[in-house]
Amino acid sequence: EAGVAQSPRYKIIEKRQSVAFWCNPISGHATLYWYQQILGQGPKLLIQFQNNGVVDDSQLPKDRFSAERLKGVDSTLKIQPAKLEDSAVYLCASSLDRGASYEQYFGPGTRLTVT
Amino acid sequence: AQSVTQLGSHVSVSEGALVLLRCNYSSSVPPYLFWYVQYPNQGLQLLLKYTSAATLVKGINGFEAEFKKSETSFHLTKPSAHMSDAAEYFCAVSDVSGNQFYFGTGTSLTVIP
Repeated sequence: EAGVAQSPRYKIIEKRQSVAFWCNPISGHATLYWYQQILGQGPKLLIQFQNNGVVDDSQLPKDRFSAERLKGVDSTLKIQPAKLEDSAVYLCASSLDRGASYEQYFGPGTRLTVT
Repeated sequence: AQSVTQLGSHVSVSEGALVLLRCNYSSSVPPYLFWYVQYPNQGLQLLLKYTSAATLVKGINGFEAEFKKSETSFHLTKPSAHMSDAAEYFCAVSDVSGNQFYFGTGTSLTVIP
């Protein structure tokens, strides 16, 4: 079974530029999560999708971050414009269904450096 | 509101020694508790989870954790450390809905040969 795929693996941009990350979850997984992991900290949940709908985006900085999962499969996370403090690893995870009893499977992450 | 606190950002143990990683939680509702491991340049992998069934939870790679409500703790243990256990370990808490997951700041485990 293929795992969660993310691309790119690394990205370096200057502040005020825009960037997009892509995630392909495990086939058949209805729930998809985006996390931000700043160096030295634990992952912070940004947004959770159930199929193509948003379950929770309360911790997503909506003035600069956006995410979509139009067909209920792949998802993209965008930052526009980027700030220095956005430097982090962005992790995507998926689970079979919604709820804490369903295991989340994580991708390898995209490491973003904003200069 | 929910949160977790991991005591000790760095823990070193000798190979073959007991591993003990500490996690305390705060939750206003019955919590679901998790331990994840992260190897360098990889995503997180679930070690074990507590979902209000047995208080002693056994996970992969010989790890286990005990839910102690009176102490609001969910410490991770392994009787004998192996070199391959060297990694970053994260404790996390959620409610049953899973709408919010809160991770601790992590504990880096070093295993000394």
